[in-house]
Amino acid sequence: NAGVMQNPRHLVRRRGQEARLRCSPMKGHSHVYWYRQLPEEGLKFMVYLQKENIIDESGMPKERFSAEFPKEGPSILRIQQVVRGDSAAYFCASSPILNTEAFFGQGTRLTVV
Amino acid sequence: AQTVTQSQPEMSVQEAETVTLSCTYDTSESDYYLFWYKQPPSRQMILVIRQEAYKQQNATENRFSVNFQKAAKSFSLKISDSQLGDAAMYFCASAPSDSNYQLIWGAGTKLIIKP
Repeated sequence: NAGVMQNPRHLVRRRGQEARLRCSPMKGHSHVYWYRQLPEEGLKFMVYLQKENIIDESGMPKERFSAEFPKEGPSILRIQQVVRGDSAAYFCASSPILNTEAFFGQGTRLTVV
Repeated sequence: AQTVTQSQPEMSVQEAETVTLSCTYDTSESDYYLFWYKQPPSRQMILVIRQEAYKQQNATENRFSVNFQKAAKSFSLKISDSQLGDAAMYFCASAPSDSNYQLIWGAGTKLIIKP
């Protein structure tokens, strides 16, 4: 059973471009969570999705950030018009049901130049 | 505001010795979980141990155990018989028991194992 797969591992974008981060949850997991880790800090919750639905987006910035988890395919975290402050590691985790152990991917390190 | 504080940015221990990583937290939740995660150089977050706040007994997973002091809001991690593979960043986190994806994370402690 493959773990949570995130790609790309590293992504470089120029200011103003769009960044698309993908997350394929573990097989059988329908709950996906996104977190952001700024340098020298712990993770911060961004959004929780369950197939085709956003359940909790209380940690998402109000502008430029969006997330989806379509019926088919990976979950996508999209950042439009990136700025230098968006540079961070973005982690995805998945679980089979709510409030059980969530398994993390290896993250995508986004660098905005 | 809910916070998790790890006061040790870095710790080092001799291989085969025991080390304790500190964590204090503050939460308004009446029911919550506490976690220790390990982040090796590969960056993947790996759950080390989980403690339910209503349980008095300290959680244990092989060489890893916690000292949970609820009144003091303290949740330290003890690693016995340290191994080279234990070298990593260790993060303490808390979350409400009914939505434990809403993790509040500490800033982490870098653990160095000396051979």
